[in-house]
Amino acid sequence: DGGITQSPKYLFRKEGQNVTLSCEQNLNHDAMYWYRQDPGQGLRLIYYSQIVNDFQKGDIAEGYSVSREKKESFPLTVTSAQKNPTAFYLCASRKHQGGHQPQHFGDGTRLSIL
Amino acid sequence: QKEVEQNSGPLSVPEGAIASLNCTYSDRVSQSFFWYRQYSGKSPELIMSIYSNGDKEDGRFTAQLNKASQYVSLLIRDSQPSDSATYLCAVNNDVAGYSTLTFGKGTMLLVSP
Repeated sequence: DGGITQSPKYLFRKEGQNVTLSCEQNLNHDAMYWYRQDPGQGLRLIYYSQIVNDFQKGDIAEGYSVSREKKESFPLTVTSAQKNPTAFYLCASRKHQGGHQPQHFGDGTRLSIL
Repeated sequence: QKEVEQNSGPLSVPEGAIASLNCTYSDRVSQSFFWYRQYSGKSPELIMSIYSNGDKEDGRFTAQLNKASQYVSLLIRDSQPSDSATYLCAVNNDVAGYSTLTFGKGTMLLVSP
């Protein structure tokens, strides 16, 4: 089945530690996105990528980094510079960057601080 | 900063009633609009997309778009308890060749049996 796989489902971070969230899609989608969702809040865009080896900062990129070395993969690293990382992280993809295309989401990763 | 506004709710309706969810957006040039449903603790799932002024129907769901008023709505007919969720409105933004979505904070819908 085609889809977007995020792993792990739950992740715990210690102080000063960098952690990486995985996002893999087999939908042959060009564009991929990372969002953060806090309780009772909407989705806020962290980073996005429309083609391999290209990515752009979203609204809340500080303390995060990404890479796009393969079309299928768009990992997100939460660095120690992100002082409030506890949130629900969602990865999404879109067939191409055209505005009429919807985004589809993975199941998410819940990150907490130990 | 482009904004998408939704009433946070909760919107409470009895089973079988029509639920009406509303959304306004600030970017006048936006052309594509999406409604997502998010159950508690889960990821959003696409319900409807709409691009042209007027109504678009899909089963029990009807999306309505009025670009002049910068307003998009979602009607759910014959509401069921399983429709109880948070509904997110999303608006596409095209800037410098890049397309992103701006999401509202969502409206919580509660359908009572």
